[in-house]
Amino acid sequence: QKEVEQNSGPLSVPEGAIASLNCTYSDRGSQSFFWYRQYSGKSPELIMFIYSNGDKEDGRFTAQLNKASQYVSLLIRDSQPSDSATYLCAVNQISGGGADGLTFGKGTHLIIQP
Amino acid sequence: DAGVIQSPRHEVTEMGQEVTLRCKPISGHDYLFWYRQTMMRGLELLIYFNNNVPIDDSGMPEDRFSAKMPNASFSTLKIQPSEPRDSAVYFCASSLETAFTDTQYFGPGTRLTVL
Repeated sequence: QKEVEQNSGPLSVPEGAIASLNCTYSDRGSQSFFWYRQYSGKSPELIMFIYSNGDKEDGRFTAQLNKASQYVSLLIRDSQPSDSATYLCAVNQISGGGADGLTFGKGTHLIIQP
Repeated sequence: DAGVIQSPRHEVTEMGQEVTLRCKPISGHDYLFWYRQTMMRGLELLIYFNNNVPIDDSGMPEDRFSAKMPNASFSTLKIQPSEPRDSAVYFCASSLETAFTDTQYFGPGTRLTVL
């Protein structure tokens, strides 16, 4: 049974600061890791994905992966009120090179305080 | 592209009734996924298709749920008979087959309320 764990929050961060979101996963066979953002009443939208150990940067967002520790994180620099949302961590295990269904954590509710 | 299209956006029905949710994936995408989201259980994978063929339906909660994909541009998720515990937001997502990553694009969801 694949499990993805996230602190539900809420995580409150002042505007302009760095928000740090964390995620752990149980299945060592997981190969791809995703961060989705979901505004209240909306559908999840992809922020970024990572599949190699280390850091991956995209604008104000940095994903970090440590497969040995089974740990994924997302850093948001210069946090803005518009970043207030629920952040979902998701993992999958590619089978045979094709796509696979995602296993999601329950999400962390992030609040950026102006 | 219009993105993933789902209908209806909201559905209110009474216990015991049949419910059909519809999804049109992004044109050219090989994979289609059905998810369900509740406060208690979060976002859960129900079933997914590759080239219209069901690949993994282990997430379908019970026999009351069924899904079909008769062609590359249309899929349905049916609940018969519906129960109050089926109340949730149902999302459809699609993706392209890639060698490693498979970014999934979600539709707007169908909010189902079973009274």
